[in-house]
Amino acid sequence: GENVEQHPSTLSVQEGDSAVIKCTYSDSASNYFPWYKQELGKGPQLIIDIRSNVGEKKDQRIAVTLNKTAKHFSLHITETQPEDSAVYFCAANTMEYGNKLVFGAGTILRVKS
Amino acid sequence: DSGVTQTPKHLITATGQRVTLRCSPRSGDLSVYWYQQSLDQGLQFLIQYYNGEERAKGNILERFSAQQFPDLHSELNLSSLELGDSALYFCASSVDIGSTYEQYFGPGTRLTVT
Repeated sequence: GENVEQHPSTLSVQEGDSAVIKCTYSDSASNYFPWYKQELGKGPQLIIDIRSNVGEKKDQRIAVTLNKTAKHFSLHITETQPEDSAVYFCAANTMEYGNKLVFGAGTILRVKS
Repeated sequence: DSGVTQTPKHLITATGQRVTLRCSPRSGDLSVYWYQQSLDQGLQFLIQYYNGEERAKGNILERFSAQQFPDLHSELNLSSLELGDSALYFCASSVDIGSTYEQYFGPGTRLTVT
């Protein structure tokens, strides 16, 4: 079945620097890749997503890139701010078991001011 | 605020007991998903309902069951609780049934089994 691997598990950056989180997936039929941000005590919040018909999508300081051939996608956060500190999850959809999302293990991002 | 509501926020109960978690999806969303989040297992998909019908199942234990009512709210029932069932339980909703539709998560219910 679908397997999503996420790296790194923790990431510390200085405020103003960029952060990159990478994910790989195994199911070549996957065509939807969302990213979620989870702050302490809250539910995951959808921050950006990409579908397989595009290679890159940007929303202000956040961008996601997708390489379908290599089966990997990445989250890029530029000009990081302390409020970006959170756990970030990538996910990929799979048609197995009736159409669902499979999540990566998460990346703890710490932005030091 | 995602528009998805979950109650209760916290639940503490003993082993062997049964609990019910409740979820109300965003206005207009027909599909509801349940997830379990634990430290060692991450976010695990449990089950999906669409417009009252079960449509997909993940690694949901037989002791767990769910349903979606005509007003589209959903309940997750956990019975014969074990210590290992302690986790965060999230509900998410989306407008339609397919996995390419955005899923919006609720704030979760923290279940502690003692």
